[in-house]
Amino acid sequence: SYVLTQPPSVSVAPGKTATISCGGNMFGSEGVHWYQQKPGQAPVQVLYSTSDRPSGIPERFSGSKSGNMAALTISSVEAGDEADYYCQIWDSLVHHLVFGGGTKLTVL
Amino acid sequence: QVYLVESGGGVVQPGRSLRLSCAASGFTFAISAMHWVRQAPGKGLEWVAGISHDGTEDNYADSVKGRFTISRDNSRKTLFLEMNSLRPDDTAVYFCARDGAGGSLDSWGQGTLVTFSS
Repeated sequence: SYVLTQPPSVSVAPGKTATISCGGNMFGSEGVHWYQQKPGQAPVQVLYSTSDRPSGIPERFSGSKSGNMAALTISSVEAGDEADYYCQIWDSLVHHLVFGGGTKLTVL
Repeated sequence: QVYLVESGGGVVQPGRSLRLSCAASGFTFAISAMHWVRQAPGKGLEWVAGISHDGTEDNYADSVKGRFTISRDNSRKTLFLEMNSLRPDDTAVYFCARDGAGGSLDSWGQGTLVTFSS
């Protein structure tokens, strides 16, 4: 079955670039999606289909995928970016959604 | 503006049942697939179940298959999750979410909490 692996935590100084990885054991052509969740709030989609940004998401958020690794990159990090981030794919073989374990982004 | 409002959570005893609802507005509910996702306290997101736009296809995580049933009423723009044989490890905030591009979830409700009495 599909497994997505994320680092538990990433720390970055304000103004720098943060990269959050998402390793997949069965990546194919499917897109990877990313969500931001702040404490006590519902998740918010920040990227879909690997690199597309929903309306209202700043250009500082970008995504990529190569081989068995996907990544969310946040440039010029701000204090307000501090949150948990989750990657997700749609497993078309079994019609299941799969989430990574989540990464806590700390802005130093 | 998409609005998803969950209700029906509460305190339950092991083995009992609970029915969650998700009222949708601001979009054409009848053409949107929908999902339930849960989050145990201090833990990550776990997909629970999904249903096609017309209710003819549903899918479940292994952890809930045979105990939970997802359904929808397009005339009432409402999504449901019938939860039976509840277990303490079902304790979580349950979110409903709209299916978006490429199998993503583009809109989420605020969630409803299901907890257990000792």
